[in-house]
Amino acid sequence: GAVVSQHPSRVICKSGTSVKIECRSLDFQATTMFWYRQFPKQSLMLMATSNEGSKATYEQGVEKDKFLINHASLTLSTLTVTSAHPEDSSFYICSARDNPSAYNEQFFGPGTRLTVL
Amino acid sequence: GQQVMQIPQYQHVQEGEDFTTYCNSSTTLSNIQWYKQRPGGHPVFLIQLVKSGEVKKQKRLTFQFGEAKKNSSLHITATQTTDVGTYFCAGNDYKLSFGAGTTVTVRA
Repeated sequence: GAVVSQHPSRVICKSGTSVKIECRSLDFQATTMFWYRQFPKQSLMLMATSNEGSKATYEQGVEKDKFLINHASLTLSTLTVTSAHPEDSSFYICSARDNPSAYNEQFFGPGTRLTVL
Repeated sequence: GQQVMQIPQYQHVQEGEDFTTYCNSSTTLSNIQWYKQRPGGHPVFLIQLVKSGEVKKQKRLTFQFGEAKKNSSLHITATQTTDVGTYFCAGNDYKLSFGAGTTVTVRA
């Protein structure tokens, strides 16, 4: 099946620093990737839809200047958390479809656990 | 926007027993997907339901999609310890709207 990787798996940073998370589709091309945030014991909340070659589409309430998304190629999307603060500590997960059809399943990356001190 | 409600939030089950988790949407869904997330893991796709009234089975798991395509359920029979995890339904209208999830624990 389709495989999505994320790097790093865990990151601890100081408040005020920026953190970049990579999401890669390993064996397929993904024109669209999705970024989610999951707080402990809560559901997945979609942050943004990452489109290759164009600007990301952000969900309501998500600051685009704080969560920078770059989808530079058909296999790589990056999420940069700028000027991170302790409240940004969360589990960040990306996903992708291996078929542009809106009705296909999404394949999720293993997630990145961010802790901001 | 689309809102998907899921109950119960927690399900503590005796090994061997059955249980059901339910999803309800505020709007009619094109299709609904179910995912399982093991503790410390990431969501893994289980199944997709598209047709009104559809029923699909995967071994001990039975998935149903309501006639009005606004609700869905997952029924697990003879629960095993390997069923531990959180089960999410997600309404699919290109992007996924996840329910709150049902976290299942099993006592042997």
